[in-house]
Amino acid sequence: DTEVTQTPKHLVMGMTNKKSLKCEQHMGHRAMYWYKQKAKKPPELMFVYSYEKLSINESVPSRFSPECPNSSLLNLHLHALQPEDSALYLCASSQESTVGRGVKTQYFGPGTRLLVL
Amino acid sequence: AQSVTQPDIHITVSEGASLELRCNYSYGATPYLFWYVQSPGQGLQLLLKYFSGDTLVQGIKGFEAEFKRSQSSFNLRKPSVHWSDAAEYFCADRKMGGGGADGLTFGKGTHLIIQP
Repeated sequence: DTEVTQTPKHLVMGMTNKKSLKCEQHMGHRAMYWYKQKAKKPPELMFVYSYEKLSINESVPSRFSPECPNSSLLNLHLHALQPEDSALYLCASSQESTVGRGVKTQYFGPGTRLLVL
Repeated sequence: AQSVTQPDIHITVSEGASLELRCNYSYGATPYLFWYVQSPGQGLQLLLKYFSGDTLVQGIKGFEAEFKRSQSSFNLRKPSVHWSDAAEYFCADRKMGGGGADGLTFGKGTHLIIQP
């Protein structure tokens, strides 16, 4: 099973709202990722969690707040977003590399399509 | 910094014809290369990957890719396309960061159109 699930599928929020995106995997992966994808653009890395600890933050604005409550779950808390934050938010997971800086395959969820009004 | 280039924004191919999508990488050390496909409004599905070893890699859905270090390329091929192959195709390389988990850096994508 290589499934990564994301909820909700669609989300519309105002600029003063607080919402959360959720991601779940049951593959035993210890690395999880958030990507942002604008229309007709490639995904861009936002955050990487490794063993439930934030290991990479690609200088993302603080209105995006990631959380990894356990090895299977990854959340992205949203607050005071701007219309330009409207995008497809993709979650991915992979096995943690145990040898040097080796790379493991990332498996992507279907994404949450976010619209900020 | 690593980068991945996909020179073709759009490619149109007739159904049943062969396909080659180009990808060039810039990182000096051995890259870790992937091809993903994305249907409209969907997530990304892994087609194939290259880490080391045999430079001709077989993937799902009849796709293959060849790693050529001398040309810094990792082109995706399929001998005969089907209408269901119409999608966005992304080449990706690792984006090195902290710890043992690296993110991915993606090319800009190639939009594949299949003509009947």
